[in-house]
Amino acid sequence: LAKTTQPISMDSYEGQEVNITCSHNNIATNDYITWYQQFPSQGPRFIIQGYKTKVTNEVASLFIPADRKSSTLSLPRVSLSDTAVYYCLVGPNNAGNMLTFGGGTRLMVKP
Amino acid sequence: EAGVAQSPRYKIIEKRQSVAFWCNPISGHATLYWYQQILGQGPKLLIQFQNNGVVDDSQLPKDRFSAERLKGVDSTLKIQPAKLEDSAVYLCASSITGTGRTDTQYFGPGTRLTVL
Repeated sequence: LAKTTQPISMDSYEGQEVNITCSHNNIATNDYITWYQQFPSQGPRFIIQGYKTKVTNEVASLFIPADRKSSTLSLPRVSLSDTAVYYCLVGPNNAGNMLTFGGGTRLMVKP
Repeated sequence: EAGVAQSPRYKIIEKRQSVAFWCNPISGHATLYWYQQILGQGPKLLIQFQNNGVVDDSQLPKDRFSAERLKGVDSTLKIQPAKLEDSAVYLCASSITGTGRTDTQYFGPGTRLTVL
């Protein structure tokens, strides 16, 4: 399983764009990159998933360079409600292969 | 669409006692996962079911933990006997098939276990 490295914590202010980078140097050819968000006292919630280049949805964008050894989750114009822990997961997305959560990045959005 | 249901939400027991957690996945989801999340850490997968069969239980402490998913729907996770280090939030998640690039895990609210 590919190991991931993320910053332990980040601070931001309302209205700013936040970029959280995840390193996964030993990513395998059939691995996907998935990001989850977790609020206190709740289970993680899927944000976005990608394989290469750029993926965008209504919540975030995911940028993956050509070598796929890292990825960046981009949250546009964060609000206080975006304060949460963000997890980067790397792995094949098929039956029999488990995903491993690392320690995540604690994002604190300040007014 | 109803989400993943878990009960109880909170449980306090003394060490060496037994405890059981229940999970009802999203209707139609074939894959069910149990995670343990210790305070300040990311969730750790304990066991993964595909329908009523075990896909992976390599990180399940089988001397004290057991899980079953009868009929491929609801699941129970049991700890017997509990230790102090079992204090954690136990999360249940489900996904449609466990296959394909869009297979997303949906998590329940978790059960917070405190072992005294």
